[in-house]
Amino acid sequence: SQTIHQWPATLVQPVGSPLSLECTVEGTSNPNLYWYRQAAGRGLQLLFYSVGIGQISSEVPQNLSASRPQDRQFILSSKKLLLSDSGFYLCAWRKTGTYYEQYFGPGTRLTVT
Amino acid sequence: EDKVVQSPLSLVVHEGDTVTLNCSYEVTNFRSLLWYKQEKKAPTFLFMLTSSGIEKKSGRLSSILDKKELFSILNITATQTGDSAVYLCAVTNDYKLSFGAGTTVTVRA
Repeated sequence: SQTIHQWPATLVQPVGSPLSLECTVEGTSNPNLYWYRQAAGRGLQLLFYSVGIGQISSEVPQNLSASRPQDRQFILSSKKLLLSDSGFYLCAWRKTGTYYEQYFGPGTRLTVT
Repeated sequence: EDKVVQSPLSLVVHEGDTVTLNCSYEVTNFRSLLWYKQEKKAPTFLFMLTSSGIEKKSGRLSSILDKKELFSILNITATQTGDSAVYLCAVTNDYKLSFGAGTTVTVRA
């Protein structure tokens, strides 16, 4: 069966510090991978998605970036965090193809102080 | 731009009541509609609907899609306090999911 991991689970970082969140998927190959952010009391905002190694599509212009160095690894980064970057960050995966559901990792709660 | 609208935004019911949640959408290259449940953590998958008029059921939850009128409903019967959560609707094209803002359901004992 497939499993998705995210770490860390919680993170408190000062404004201006860098960020690196990691997501890995087990039990499948060539998945579609996604990063979402959910601000407190708000809906899910798609940040990035990837359909293959090195292929990143950005949905929202911001100070975040994403990379996919390996087939089942997806990394979200920032060089300098802003207060507005606080939120619940979720990684998700989906089988390649059209009619498949998407599954979420456990998430990282980021607080920028 | 793809659009997913859920209603109501929130509701409060008592245990045993039936709840109906609505989701309307406008999306290019529609492929499927999904429902998720979120309880202060990551969303968990409930249903995926691709064809009109075919009801999907899981225990006390059921859902149906109308591709002509571009909406879906999620029903919860005989609600329990454990059903309290945010219910999210999402629609897919080939790669992406577009999510609605969610409906917050509170079930009181």
